[in-house]
Amino acid sequence: NAGVTQTPKFQVLKTGQSMTLQCAQDMNHNSMYWYRQDPGMGLRLIYYSASEGTTDKGEVPNGYNVSRLNKREFSLRLESAAPSQTSVYFCASFPGQGAQPQHFGDGTRLSIL
Amino acid sequence: QKEVEQNSGPLSVPEGAIASLNCTYSDRVSQSFFWYRQYSGKSPELIMSIYSNGDKEDGRFTAQLNKASQYVSLLIRDSQPSDSATYLCAVRRVDSSYKLIFGSGTRLLVRP
Repeated sequence: NAGVTQTPKFQVLKTGQSMTLQCAQDMNHNSMYWYRQDPGMGLRLIYYSASEGTTDKGEVPNGYNVSRLNKREFSLRLESAAPSQTSVYFCASFPGQGAQPQHFGDGTRLSIL
Repeated sequence: QKEVEQNSGPLSVPEGAIASLNCTYSDRVSQSFFWYRQYSGKSPELIMSIYSNGDKEDGRFTAQLNKASQYVSLLIRDSQPSDSATYLCAVRRVDSSYKLIFGSGTRLLVRP
């Protein structure tokens, strides 16, 4: 059981390039989330999808777009990468019932030069 | 004021001691509370969850929740060097998004 799988694990981009981070979960969870984590900081929510077919902005959505492709997959796109988007990106999923925790992927380390 | 606040630390304790990690939150109607452990370069992993006032114990870990005072804490008994990590407090809002709001984390160092 893989849980939450993120690809790629590492990526280096040049300013202005575009990129899509992929996330897939095999737990039949309804909700999925994208976070970024900067050094010494907690996780900040970029976008989330409470259920298949819906997406909403989180705390720091500027510069990003998302697609909930199906129940399993939730992708994060950087249209024109900026150095300020250098971070570690985590995808998480949640069953959809209040008493359950979120499950995290292993993260994508993204550097933008 | 941040929605979820934690002391960034580092909190340094000797091996075998009790480590006490604290977290306060601002939204009175928060429903669920979680402690995640994060080793350097790794993803967060769930340690404890708590939903009702009082204490919840799981092995060497005890989570304590006081909704009236809006704080949640994590006690680690018999601390081990392998417990050295950053501990993230997360609070879930009462809405259909099921979003988690994270604190910035407390770094714990357990000295051998």
